[in-house]
Amino acid sequence: EPEVTQTPSHQVTQMGQEVILRCVPISNHLYFYWYRQILGQKVEFLVSFYNNEISEKSEIFDDQFSVERPDGSNFTLKIRSTKLEDSAMYFCASSPSWTLPRLAGKFYEQYFGPGTRLTVT
Amino acid sequence: QKEVEQDPGPLSVPEGAIVSLNCTYSNSAFQYFMWYRQYSRKGPELLMYTYSSGNKEDGRFTAQVDKSSKYISLFIRDSQPSDSATYLCAMREETSGSRLTFGEGTQLTVNP
Repeated sequence: EPEVTQTPSHQVTQMGQEVILRCVPISNHLYFYWYRQILGQKVEFLVSFYNNEISEKSEIFDDQFSVERPDGSNFTLKIRSTKLEDSAMYFCASSPSWTLPRLAGKFYEQYFGPGTRLTVT
Repeated sequence: QKEVEQDPGPLSVPEGAIVSLNCTYSNSAFQYFMWYRQYSRKGPELLMYTYSSGNKEDGRFTAQVDKSSKYISLFIRDSQPSDSATYLCAMREETSGSRLTFGEGTQLTVNP
């Protein structure tokens, strides 16, 4: 069964350093997402991406964050200058569509990867 | 007030028990309601979704939505040790694209 993969599983970095988290979405999916989960807190939406541009972003996704689909398979999240508070589990997700189920006649699920644990020291 | 509230537990039940998991929400624009299951060191996995108010059943799982009370529930019948996981409620609006808003998650342990 196809699945979303993420690398690395755990990344340790020093405050102020740049990190790139990598995701390989499911191959025929068109919509890509990043969420994060700070330890003990809820999963929070960061950004959605379609057709090589950001569709929607949350207030968390400030100028320190960027996303890119550098080739036909990878989807990356870059944090330019990491802060201690960026320590979290970062989940990538993909979906074949985001069309409203009521219009499409079916529900398009977001499939989540296993996550990358980012530790900023 | 938080947009979505969920009792984090932990919840521990004996095998075979009926489990009730709940979320409340404040955003009236939420129209789609989902339950995800998350095992340790894994990403969330969709269990069930419902649109608008009502009940939906899938095997041992029943999802219930009461929009008038802004309250959703997931019932697990005949719970099994393999059901031990964290259960996350998630919601989305009709028109804001596909952003999911999650609850905190409830950690469930089913003891054999």
